[in-house]
Amino acid sequence: KAGVTQTPRYLIKTRGQQVTLSCSPISGHRSVSWYQQTPGQGLQFLFEYFSETQRNKGNFPGRFSGRQFSNSRSEMNVSTLELGDSALYLCASSLAAGNTEAFFGQGTRLTVV
Amino acid sequence: GEDVEQSLFLSVREGDSSVINCTYTDSSSTYLYWYKQEPGAGLQLLTYIFSNMDMKQDQRLTVLLNKKDKHLSLRIADTQTGDSAIYFCAEAIYNDMRFGAGTRLTVKP
Repeated sequence: KAGVTQTPRYLIKTRGQQVTLSCSPISGHRSVSWYQQTPGQGLQFLFEYFSETQRNKGNFPGRFSGRQFSNSRSEMNVSTLELGDSALYLCASSLAAGNTEAFFGQGTRLTVV
Repeated sequence: GEDVEQSLFLSVREGDSSVINCTYTDSSSTYLYWYKQEPGAGLQLLTYIFSNMDMKQDQRLTVLLNKKDKHLSLRIADTQTGDSAIYFCAEAIYNDMRFGAGTRLTVKP
């Protein structure tokens, strides 16, 4: 069974641009959560999607958005990138909502220059 | 308070046991987790414990939960150099998941 797949693994963008990251959950998993990991702030929850609906949202500005498709794949989008958005973005999938057992992808490392 | 706290660093000798500690503040946690993160990689789920259990053992890993003190620990027996990584504890509270800052475990030969 394939694990959680995130693409791309690495990305370099300039300030003001936007970026879309993709996450394919484990087959059969319907819940996808996104996290931002930075050295200063640690792991912070962005949002959770289940059955194409956002169920929970962390404390991030509206520039951060996401969506989930009918096949459970999820994308997150960051618009008007800032230097401080440089981070490792991790996606986690679980069978059901509520993260009872979440499996993480390897992450997308985003660098904003 | 809503913080999950861990000490930042731990150094042990190969073959010794490692004990990584974590404290949390929300008594309504349903599950508590330990994740391992190696350089450049995502988080790997090591083990988890349901909040009504006080111990779980899985090969070299032993998780102890003291719900009264809100204290969680991960013991790694016979620690190997391949165990060097950052270990995160996390608590699940309904639809939310909160992580500690991670403990960097260094295993010296």
